[in-house]
Amino acid sequence: GPKVLQIPSHQIIDMGQMVTLNCDPVSNHLYFYWYKQILGQQMEFLVNFYNGKVMEKSKLFKDQFSVERPDGSYFTLKIQPTALEDSAVYFCASSSRTGSNTEVFFGKGTRLTVV
Amino acid sequence: GDSVTQTEGPVTVSESESLIINCTYSATSIAYPNLFWYVRYPGEGLQLLLKVITAGQKGSSRGFEATYNKETTSFHLQKASVQESDSAVYYCALTGGNNKLTFGQGTVLSVIP
Repeated sequence: GPKVLQIPSHQIIDMGQMVTLNCDPVSNHLYFYWYKQILGQQMEFLVNFYNGKVMEKSKLFKDQFSVERPDGSYFTLKIQPTALEDSAVYFCASSSRTGSNTEVFFGKGTRLTVV
Repeated sequence: GDSVTQTEGPVTVSESESLIINCTYSATSIAYPNLFWYVRYPGEGLQLLLKVITAGQKGSSRGFEATYNKETTSFHLQKASVQESDSAVYYCALTGGNNKLTFGQGTVLSVIP
């Protein structure tokens, strides 16, 4: 079936440094999402993105976070600067549209460890 | 805000036994949310198992089924006879139709052969 690819699968970074998480969404999908899961907690919505713009973001989407998808390439989540509490697994997702009866496809996640 | 609560795992059952994983929800953003069960098999990404968007309806897939009960705000996942290959983490979730998913905490299921 359709695949969302996330690169890398695991990243370790020093606190205060910048990190970029990359996502290759399903081809021809137009809506993109990031979710965050801290160890032992629920997956939580961060942001969704369509037509080059953030459509909606949660309170977890701090000012240090940004997303973009330049020229139809990777959909990225950038954190600058990183903090210890940013350690989590970040899941990228995509869908062809929004609304009922739309399937959202998820990647396997990138485990970010901030030390 | 919206919330989802499901059976706390891990859940361990023997092959061919029946299974139920409870899920209850609270939706403040919309009266009738869309309800989902997602599954993550070992080494795989999260994938949709089944969904129901109309209250009172039942969804089914791979021998699993769940009924959208708006009276009890529940969406329990059931299977009559589990297999070892069903070992995975199961997530109950809801949306208000905007694809912003609210997930439960996940239930780890281990099926013993």
